Amino acid sequence: EPEVTQTPSHQVTQMGQEVILRCVPISNHLYFYWYRQILGQKVEFLVSFYNNEISEKSEIFDDQFSVERPDGSNFTLKIRSTKLEDSAMYFCASSRLAGVQETQYFGPGTRLLVL
Amino acid sequence: SQQGEEDPQALSIQEGENATMNCSYKTSINNLQWYRQNSGRGLVHLILIRSNEREKHSGRLRVTLDTSKKSSSLLITASRAADTASYFCATLGSSNTGKLIFGQGTTLQVKP
Repeated sequence: EPEVTQTPSHQVTQMGQEVILRCVPISNHLYFYWYRQILGQKVEFLVSFYNNEISEKSEIFDDQFSVERPDGSNFTLKIRSTKLEDSAMYFCASSRLAGVQETQYFGPGTRLLVL
Repeated sequence: SQQGEEDPQALSIQEGENATMNCSYKTSINNLQWYRQNSGRGLVHLILIRSNEREKHSGRLRVTLDTSKKSSSLLITASRAADTASYFCATLGSSNTGKLIFGQGTTLQVKP
């Protein structure tokens, strides 16, 4: 069964450093998402991406964040200058479409720790 | 605003018992989905119910949706130790961007 994959599974970085989290969505999916989950808290929406542009972003997704689909298969989340509060599990998800019957499939997550 | 609040926050039952988790939300929705998360792992999609549906079944799962009360429930029948996980509801709003809003989750422990 097709699945969303994410790399790395764990990332430790120093505050102020740039990180790039990578995702390979399911191949025939057209909508891509990033969510994050701070330890012990609920999953929060960051951004949705369709047709090579952001379709919606949350207040969390400020100028330090960017997304890209560089080669038609990968979908990346970049944090330019990490802060301590960026420590979280980051989930990538994809869906075929964005309609009412569409399921979003989530990857296993990247656990980011900012020191 | 908070959307998708589950109760109880934690639930502990014996294997074989049924587990019921509830979710409430505030704004209008297009669908409501339930996900399971094993400790520290990814989210696994369980079931989706559209706003014009009232009840849906999938194996040992039964989901109900009451849009007048803005609430949903997830029933797991004949629970197993392997059902131990956190369960989240997530709502799809009226935007066409696919944005899901998750609740706080219910942590279910099924004791063997």
